[in-house]
Amino acid sequence: AQTVTQSQPEMSVQEAETVTLSCTYDTSESDYYLFWYKQPPSRQMILVIRQEAYKQQNATENRFSVNFQKAAKSFSLKISDSQLGDAAMYLCLAGGTSYGKLTFGQGTILTVHP
Amino acid sequence: EAQVTQNPRYLITVTGKKLTVTCSQNMNHEYMSWYRQDPGLGLRQIYYSMNVEVTDKGDVPEGYKVSRKEKRNFPLILESPSPNQTSLYFCASSQRGPPSSEQYFGPGTRLTVT
Repeated sequence: AQTVTQSQPEMSVQEAETVTLSCTYDTSESDYYLFWYKQPPSRQMILVIRQEAYKQQNATENRFSVNFQKAAKSFSLKISDSQLGDAAMYLCLAGGTSYGKLTFGQGTILTVHP
Repeated sequence: EAQVTQNPRYLITVTGKKLTVTCSQNMNHEYMSWYRQDPGLGLRQIYYSMNVEVTDKGDVPEGYKVSRKEKRNFPLILESPSPNQTSLYFCASSQRGPPSSEQYFGPGTRLTVT
């Protein structure tokens, strides 16, 4: 079984500032992957970043980076130089490699103020 | 264009009237999955399929059926819809079993059961 928890239903940030969204997870899988997806008001699902659990190095994609703390089962997303287009719901996702079940967190709605 | 399509995009129906939401992908992906999205709950996996003729339950399979007779199609069937199945539904596919490969999501189907 696996669970994913996003404890921040809503967050806000000023344009050009940095914000961190939190995600904790629990899984019985020894090998697993973690993802952050962005869902703008259009409801489209956009992959932001992916982390393989066996890699110690934190993943980075341009202004987006993660802080992966495997022992603490924490997977936070940091958005640097926030832009108005970053406003969306952000969803954390976990999945083990031994079967196809995937688990999302509850989501965090990010507002970016100009 | 590589895409996942869902039909219909919007559906209003009455309790007990059987319905099918179609999902099709043109990327020759092995893995397909259905999710429902409800406020405050994120996305929850209903069913998934690792390949043709192979389907498994996700976290919320009750009241739903699926089939995978062809690689490209993965319809979601509600035999006797009830109001608690009112939700936004997403179909997704990935090249091979997740989570190692990125999921591609359809545009969503907004279902209302009265």
